[in-house]
Amino acid sequence: AQKVTQAQTEISVVEKEDVTLDCVYETRDTTYYLFWYKQPPSGELVFLIRRNSFDEQNEISGRYSWNFQKSTSSFNFTITASQVVDSAVYFCALSEEGGATNKLIFGTGTLLAVQP
Amino acid sequence: DAGITQSPRHKVTETGTPVTLRCHQTENHRYMYWYRQDPGHGLRLIHYSYGVKDTDKGEVSDGYSVSRSKTEDFLLTLESATSSQTSVYFCAISGTGFGDTQYFGPGTRLTVL
Repeated sequence: AQKVTQAQTEISVVEKEDVTLDCVYETRDTTYYLFWYKQPPSGELVFLIRRNSFDEQNEISGRYSWNFQKSTSSFNFTITASQVVDSAVYFCALSEEGGATNKLIFGTGTLLAVQP
Repeated sequence: DAGITQSPRHKVTETGTPVTLRCHQTENHRYMYWYRQDPGHGLRLIHYSYGVKDTDKGEVSDGYSVSRSKTEDFLLTLESATSSQTSVYFCAISGTGFGDTQYFGPGTRLTVL
């Protein structure tokens, strides 16, 4: 069955530290998409990235980078030189082809606290 | 930002009363979704719509119904609210189905006493 695991419930770092948020997924499909969303303390959900299963190229966007490894079913997210504004809950999500519900399957989220 | 609004943003109600939450979009997107967010569960899909009058159930649909009479509006109804339905409800939209990015509304915090 499809599943997304974010084993880190909470992470606390000091500003300017690098931090990696782990995401491990399970799926039997060969075609799927992976997503990361950010939920700041204000509560909205902000889309960060989408990656399809055929594109294992890592991506960098400013201080954010994502490492997709099909061999380990992982899609990890690294923030370089963290800032207080990065404090949020981060969700990893999976979308599988062929599912009747066309749903996103979310992990339980990782709360990142960046201390000044 | 995608044009998605939800109303009300906060609601307190009593057990047994019906409640309707509204999601409104200005993006003319075909797909609309309702999720609930609970501690320890992430977000879970309640219902979704793939067009006007076309809806289907998600994984936690019991006790909920939906309707979509216009492209821009997707309503979620709790027929008889229970305390277990206390949650934060998010609406999302996407232009296409599988694999397309879903954009979320601001959420509705519902408390059932």
